[in-house]
Amino acid sequence: QVQLQESGPGLVRPSGTLSLTCAVSGGSISSSSWWSWVRQSPGKGLEWIGDIFHNGRTNYNPSLKSQATISVDKSKNQFSLRLKSVTAADTAVYFCAREGYFYDSGGYPFDLWGQGTLVTVSS
Amino acid sequence: DIVLTQSPGTLSLSLGERATLSCRASQSVSDNYLAWYQQKVGQAPRLLIYGAFSRATGIPDRFSGSGSGTDFTLTISRLEPEDFAVYYCQQYGTSPRTFGQGTKVEI
Repeated sequence: QVQLQESGPGLVRPSGTLSLTCAVSGGSISSSSWWSWVRQSPGKGLEWIGDIFHNGRTNYNPSLKSQATISVDKSKNQFSLRLKSVTAADTAVYFCAREGYFYDSGGYPFDLWGQGTLVTVSS
Repeated sequence: DIVLTQSPGTLSLSLGERATLSCRASQSVSDNYLAWYQQKVGQAPRLLIYGAFSRATGIPDRFSGSGSGTDFTLTISRLEPEDFAVYYCQQYGTSPRTFGQGTKVEI
């Protein structure tokens, strides 16, 4: 079974860069799925950050402007998130998720999630 | 962005009762690409319903989705102990993908 596992520092200093990696196991990142980052904070609920396809094509939530960068490493079967110039408002649980294609209805809902990792922005 | 408004915020019910959760979109959801997720404390969301009414693999048939356009409903026909959780709707037809604020189903 495909599994996702987030990793990265749990504490980031204000104005620093948040860096997280999502390892994909039990399946290939080069499948027909897209791969996403979603965060959850008490103040803003669930927020989609952006996604990436294995060929490197990306989409981002405009609310994050140019703060976020998502990349893929097919050799390691993983994808990553970098969020620059972080503030306390970026404190959240960060999830990686798979957007699987459903042939019966079309579209790419989030059909698989990592367990999530808490990132705190604080000095 | 498409804003999803869920109601009620909290639903207090008993075991065996029927739960009806609402999700209203600020504009029509493209191709009815509307999903429902269940989230328990300390866990990631789990996909229940996609395409407004299709159950995901392994989801019991007491969960059903309905609706189209801007109004969608998740129904749990008979509440089991494991169903007490927070439920989110999410649209994936228009970028950026957006979520509702959640409905908590409690005893």
